[in-house]
Amino acid sequence: DTGVSQDPRHKITKRGQNVTFRCDPISEHNRLYWYRQTLGQGPEFLTYFQNEAQLEKSRLLSDRFSAERPKGSFSTLEIQRTEQGDSAMYLCASSYSVPGGRNTGELFFGEGSRLTVL
Amino acid sequence: AQRVTQPEKLLSVFKGAPVELKCNYSYSGSPELFWYVQYSRQRLQLLLRHISRESIKGFTADLNKGETSFHLKKPFAQEEDSAMYYCALSTRTYNNDMRFGAGTRLTVKP
Repeated sequence: DTGVSQDPRHKITKRGQNVTFRCDPISEHNRLYWYRQTLGQGPEFLTYFQNEAQLEKSRLLSDRFSAERPKGSFSTLEIQRTEQGDSAMYLCASSYSVPGGRNTGELFFGEGSRLTVL
Repeated sequence: AQRVTQPEKLLSVFKGAPVELKCNYSYSGSPELFWYVQYSRQRLQLLLRHISRESIKGFTADLNKGETSFHLKKPFAQEEDSAMYYCALSTRTYNNDMRFGAGTRLTVKP
C-alpha cells in the first residue's frame, strides 16, 4: 500500500467548467476527509466520510461542490461551474476509527490535487 | 469556534541552535493538539500529539492550558528539520473537526 493517492495531481481548467478529483485512501481506513489549502494557509476542512456515509460538510462547501464515497473505498470531489476562487490544493486524508473508540488524530494525507481555474 | 494561531510565518535558525515554533489556540473546552509537518516534496504527516507526551525527532510540545499554547520545541535544530510545520486542534472524539493553523516555515541554516 503506497498510502493515500490522489488523481489528478494537477488540473488547469477554464472558469465555468466542471472538475472531478479522486482519492484512494489507505485500504483499511474507514474515515476519509477532504481539505482545501490555499497559498499561505493551513488545510481547511471541507467534508468527511465514515465508510460511505458523508457525516459532515463545512460551510466552505458550497452547492457547487459535491463529494461521494459510493462503496466506502475511494472518494470523488466534484466542483461544478468552477470559479477562480476555487483555485487551491485539494487534499484528501484518511484514518482508521475504532468503532466506539477515540480517534488517534493521525490523518494520513495524500499529495493533493492542485486546481488552477483560469 | 476553535481557532489556531501560528504567529510566525517564517522562522530561521542556525544548525545546533534551539528552536521554538509558537502555537496558540482558542477553545473553551479540552482540545486535543497536534503538530503536523510537511518536508519538501513530501506529504503532510503527523509529527506528534499532546496526549502522547512523546518526543519525536527531538521535538517536544507541552500543552499549556493557562496560556492556551502548544509550542513546539527542539533544543538543537538540524538542517533536516527544515520544513513547514502546522499546529492543529481537534475538539471531538473522532477528530472530524481538525483545524489547522496557517503554518510556520522553519529553515535551519548550516
